[in-house]
Amino acid sequence: GENVEQHPSTLSVQEGDSAVIKCTYSDSASNYFPWYKQELGKRPQLIIDIRSNVGEKKDQRIAVTLNKTAKHFSLHITETQPEDSAVYFCAASPHGNNRLAFGKGNQVVVIP
Amino acid sequence: NAGVTQTPKFQVLKTGQSMTLQCAQDMNHEYMSWYRQDPGMGLRLIHYSVGAGITDQGEVPNGYNVSRSTTEDFPLRLLSAAPSQTSVYFCASSPGLDTDTQYFGPGTRLTVL
Repeated sequence: GENVEQHPSTLSVQEGDSAVIKCTYSDSASNYFPWYKQELGKRPQLIIDIRSNVGEKKDQRIAVTLNKTAKHFSLHITETQPEDSAVYFCAASPHGNNRLAFGKGNQVVVIP
Repeated sequence: NAGVTQTPKFQVLKTGQSMTLQCAQDMNHEYMSWYRQDPGMGLRLIHYSVGAGITDQGEVPNGYNVSRSTTEDFPLRLLSAAPSQTSVYFCASSPGLDTDTQYFGPGTRLTVL
């Protein structure tokens, strides 16, 4: 099955700086790559996703890039704010499968 | 719409007891899934369903049963609870077809003593 790995496990950034989290996946059939944000004690919430037919997608301060050849995708958060502090999970899935395989998560801490 | 709802929010069981975690959605979604979340392990898929009457195993199905008699409901049954099943359980639903976005319920925190 699909194996998704996230690096680094913990990331601390100064408020206003950028944060980048990278994920790698193993199954070349995967073509849907979402990112979820989870605050302490809350449910995971989708923040951005990308499909394999595009290389980059942006939504305000958040962007995701995909390199299918290298089998990795990254989350970029610019102008970080304290409310960006959370655990971020990447996942991968073959299209239409809905069997998401999640990474173990990255703790992002934004220092005011 | 209430979205995805789960009951109970918290539960404490003794080893060997059985119980059912409830999950319901009112968005007419075809796809529903159960995940467990353990510290440092991310979310792992237990069972999933692509429609009423159809279920299949995920990554960690042992010790759990599911059924899908209606589109709205997808209960998860623990037949004989074990301490290793102490976890936070999330139910999720998705419209299916060309939409893979999953919407998560609020979770159930289960402790097995």
